[in-house]
Amino acid sequence: DGGITQSPKYLFRKEGQNVTLSCEQNLNHDAMYWYRQDPGQGLRLIYYSQIVNDFQKGDIAEGYSVSREKKESFPLTVTSAQKNPTAFYLCATRGRTIGNEQFFGPGTRLTVL
Amino acid sequence: QKEVEQNSGPLSVPEGAIASLNCTYSDRGSQSFFWYRQYSGKSPELIMFIYSNGDKEDGRFTAQLNKASQYVSLLIRDSQPSDSATYLCAVENAGNNRKLIWGLGTSLAVNP
Repeated sequence: DGGITQSPKYLFRKEGQNVTLSCEQNLNHDAMYWYRQDPGQGLRLIYYSQIVNDFQKGDIAEGYSVSREKKESFPLTVTSAQKNPTAFYLCATRGRTIGNEQFFGPGTRLTVL
Repeated sequence: QKEVEQNSGPLSVPEGAIASLNCTYSDRGSQSFFWYRQYSGKSPELIMFIYSNGDKEDGRFTAQLNKASQYVSLLIRDSQPSDSATYLCAVENAGNNRKLIWGLGTSLAVNP
């Protein structure tokens, strides 16, 4: 069953704690992306990776970190330095198809208590 | 600053009508254009993409691209209540490391 999985679906965190969001794909896509979505706002790019062992900051990388040790996995860590982490986090992949479109996982909703 | 603009809505249409969603972009070098649908609380899903000027049809959906005027639109024919969602426009510039620039989305409500 091909696709993108994100876990957990809902996550609650206390202030001051780091938390890691999982993103796994079996689509054999090279590029992977992390977005944040807040109510009334569009998708904002946090980090992206085009190949294994390489990643770049997006527009709002402060307070976040990522790794890309395997093609299939692109975990996102939300650190205590992120001042307002409560949001809907979306992982996306992009293969070298005709459309070059991005495909999204189901998302993780993070709430800081 | 490269931008993608959409009317936030809500756009309200009766069931069976044509819904027209518009998107303008600022970067003339943009080459690929995407429409996504997002239901409340869910992740975006691709409706269609378009590269060339003109129309592209897929079922009840038609994307229209006019690069000279820098806009792309999405028409939904025979709108259904299940089409009620937020529609996101995304634009890719060829030199932008395959990143997409996203609009804020247009909320569509189809009334039975």
